[in-house]
Amino acid sequence: AQSVTQLGSHVSVSEGALVLLRCNYSSSVPPYLFWYVQYPNQGLQLLLKYTSAATLVKGINGFEAEFNKSQTSFHLRKPSVHISDTAEYFCAVTRSGGYNKLIFGAGTRLAVHP
Amino acid sequence: EPEVTQTPSHQVTQMGQEVILRCVPISNHLYFYWYRQILGQKVEFLVSFYNNEISEKSEIFDDQFSVERPDGSNFTLKIRSTKLEDSAMYFCASSGVTQGVVETQYFGPGTRLLVL
Repeated sequence: AQSVTQLGSHVSVSEGALVLLRCNYSSSVPPYLFWYVQYPNQGLQLLLKYTSAATLVKGINGFEAEFNKSQTSFHLRKPSVHISDTAEYFCAVTRSGGYNKLIFGAGTRLAVHP
Repeated sequence: EPEVTQTPSHQVTQMGQEVILRCVPISNHLYFYWYRQILGQKVEFLVSFYNNEISEKSEIFDDQFSVERPDGSNFTLKIRSTKLEDSAMYFCASSGVTQGVVETQYFGPGTRLLVL
């Protein structure tokens, strides 16, 4: 079975600050890992994904995440956030290879203030 | 850029009524999915569909739910007799295949269903 835990349901930071959103996963098989972002009143947009290539993955809008197998983590980071990054961020896991359902974490709501 | 579209964006219905949520996946994608998100809760998998068959379904996807690809472009989710607890945001997703590898799932904007 697979599961995802996102630590911190709400994170509030100042514009320009570094932000780290935490995601830990559990998987009995090699995982594929994803971060999706949901802006207010919109759908889910893919930020980045890990599919067993490089452990440091760069995504859109300056976000990056690092896959750490020993710590079973896939934390999302942005060195300098902007107010427009205010959104909810979801970490998700699926089995590698083939089509498979995504298992989502509970989400972290990021608020960036001036 | 191709995108998944969903209609309607909002639907209000009375308990016990049937609803059909519609999705148009990305045109060359072969795998289709429905997820839902009850307000304040996680996004949950409902069902996956490939080659005109359900590939996998969750415990949530009981006999009240059905999916169909009635033509070459639409993918629908039907709830036969809605319950209050069916109120949620329903997301459609699709994924393609490149060199034998199934790709990332791309999500539509969702349909917000409210059952009164």
